[in-house]
Amino acid sequence: AQSVTQLGSHVSVSEGALVLLRCNYSSSVPPYLFWYVQYPNQGLQLLLKYTSAATLVKGINGFEAEFKKSETSFHLTKPSAHMSDAAEYFCAVSDFGNEKLTFGTGTRLTIIP
Amino acid sequence: GAVVSQHPSWVICKSGTSVKIECRSLDFQATTMFWYRQFPKQSLMLMATSNEGSKATYEQGVEKDKFLINHASLTLSTLTVTSAHPEDSSFYICSAVGWDQQETQYFGPGTRLLVL
Repeated sequence: AQSVTQLGSHVSVSEGALVLLRCNYSSSVPPYLFWYVQYPNQGLQLLLKYTSAATLVKGINGFEAEFKKSETSFHLTKPSAHMSDAAEYFCAVSDFGNEKLTFGTGTRLTIIP
Repeated sequence: GAVVSQHPSWVICKSGTSVKIECRSLDFQATTMFWYRQFPKQSLMLMATSNEGSKATYEQGVEKDKFLINHASLTLSTLTVTSAHPEDSSFYICSAVGWDQQETQYFGPGTRLLVL
């Protein structure tokens, strides 16, 4: 069975500071991993995905994530936070992309001016 | 590319009525569509998986007679909430997977349902 753990339901960072959102996964087979962002009252937008190619994945809006098999982690980072990054972020895992996604509980990112 | 739309974006209905929500893949053909519901400040919970031309597969605990899913074409899936009750009030989100990017689900903007 797959599972995703997002450490920290709320994260606050100052504008211009490093953003680090943590995600650990559990999967019995090599996973496909995703980060999605959700703005209030909207659907989910794909930020980036890992599908067994390069372990460092670059996404949109300056975000990137690194797949670390030994740590079963897929943490999301951005070097410099912007006010527009304030949103809810979800990490998700699947065995294969067209199988169901298992989502983490989400991390709400707040940017302090 | 890979745009998914939902209609309506908001719906308010009386208890006991039925509500239909549409999910469309606008610029690709979707082999599979998924329906999720999300309660306030919570994560997404998968309700069902639908493939074009076949019956939907429902997750454990989801009433298939209450949440009717029809996937009549490669670009359209509908979710009908039958005999809606206040506890059905939620945010319903669909996603779609295309033939050429089968590892990625693209999500619609969601439909907020309020049952009075």
